[in-house]
Amino acid sequence: KAGVTQTPRYLIKTRGQQVTLSCSPISGHRSVSWYQQTPGQGLQFLFEYFSETQRNKGNFPGRFSGRQFSNSRSEMNVSTLELGDSALYLCASSLDRGATEAFFGQGTRLTVV
Amino acid sequence: GENVEQHPSTLSVQEGDSAVIKCTYSDSASNYFPWYKQELGKGPQLIIDIRSNVGEKKDQRIAVTLNKTAKHFSLHITETQPEDSAVYFCAASLRSQGNLIFGKGTKLSVKP
Repeated sequence: KAGVTQTPRYLIKTRGQQVTLSCSPISGHRSVSWYQQTPGQGLQFLFEYFSETQRNKGNFPGRFSGRQFSNSRSEMNVSTLELGDSALYLCASSLDRGATEAFFGQGTRLTVV
Repeated sequence: GENVEQHPSTLSVQEGDSAVIKCTYSDSASNYFPWYKQELGKGPQLIIDIRSNVGEKKDQRIAVTLNKTAKHFSLHITETQPEDSAVYFCAASLRSQGNLIFGKGTKLSVKP
């Protein structure tokens, strides 16, 4: 059974640009959550999507947004990139709503220059 | 909101010894506590979890204990091997919520 797939693996963007990251959850999983990982702040929750609806949101500015499609695949978008947005962005999928048995992808390493 | 503290931040053991990592949480309503292992260049891997209606859970060399009264939970790894070297994260959540609150991580080094 395939795991969580995140694309691309690496990205370099310039300040002010926007970026879209993609996540394909484990087949049959309907919940997708996104996390930001940095050396200083650790793993921080961005948002959770279930049935194409955002169910929960972390404490991030409105420049961070996401969506989920009918096949449960999810994308997150960051607009007007700042240097501080450089991080590993992780996607986790769960069978159902809630954070139980959440399986993570390998992440997208975003560098903002 | 929930806050999770994790100790120690680094841990070095000899191969074959046991390793213990401890976490405390602040929200007594939290009822799900997973542990993740993250190797360099990879995403976190779920290694064991425990729900609030259980005090202890074992899976081969790994065990987790939960003390709801004291609001702390611990990861125990016995007979450590070099491949156990990684960063370990504890987390807490309300099962009805979609977000995990993570500790800051423990870098475990197992010396052969």
